[in-house]
Amino acid sequence: NAGVTQTPKFQVLKTGQSMTLQCAQDMNHEYMSWYRQDPGMGLRLIHYSVGAGITDQGEVPNGYNVSRSTTEDFPLRLLSAAPSQTSVYFCASTSGGELSGELFFGEGSRLTVL
Amino acid sequence: GDSVTQMEGPVTLSEEAFLTINCTYTATGYPSLFWYVQYPGEGLQLLLKATKADDKGSNKGFEATYRKETTSFHLEKGSVQVSDSAVYFCAHNAGNNRKLIWGLGTSLAVNP
Repeated sequence: NAGVTQTPKFQVLKTGQSMTLQCAQDMNHEYMSWYRQDPGMGLRLIHYSVGAGITDQGEVPNGYNVSRSTTEDFPLRLLSAAPSQTSVYFCASTSGGELSGELFFGEGSRLTVL
Repeated sequence: GDSVTQMEGPVTLSEEAFLTINCTYTATGYPSLFWYVQYPGEGLQLLLKATKADDKGSNKGFEATYRKETTSFHLEKGSVQVSDSAVYFCAHNAGNNRKLIWGLGTSLAVNP
């Protein structure tokens, strides 16, 4: 019953450091996406993928990279962390594409950039 | 532009009270409408949905009716429990950018 698994759950970085948030799903979903959640801003789409080898930018992609080498994994990379990237990050997946609205979310990764 | 507007929280209720969380939308096309729930420390999960006008979505005692004439999808529950304390998000899928359009979320706290 794993569903969507995100690691780490918590991370503190210094400005300029890099890191990767991991996301894995075991439901064989083609569509995966990354959101950030900030107070008063709701959910904002960072990057998404409609299948292995295919990625695209969402609403707020700057400062983030993604890749999709397998169906199961969709890591999010911060190349040079900035305080503005302090947020809670959610990975999601679905079999029906984002417009189906039936997304499965991970438990989130809380990132603090000092 | 495309948007979802939810009532501001936090909403605080006593156990067994009636709950309404308002949601109105503007959309480019003919949307399906969704309510998601986020329990403390967890990710969002789909609570219910409706795909066309006058449809009623329901789950776990929650209901919402798709009202095209008022562009609304208000979430209701007749008797809330402490375990319903969570943040509730309304969303639709008919934005111009072909992505889900999310509301800002409404926090609900239910006191025993």
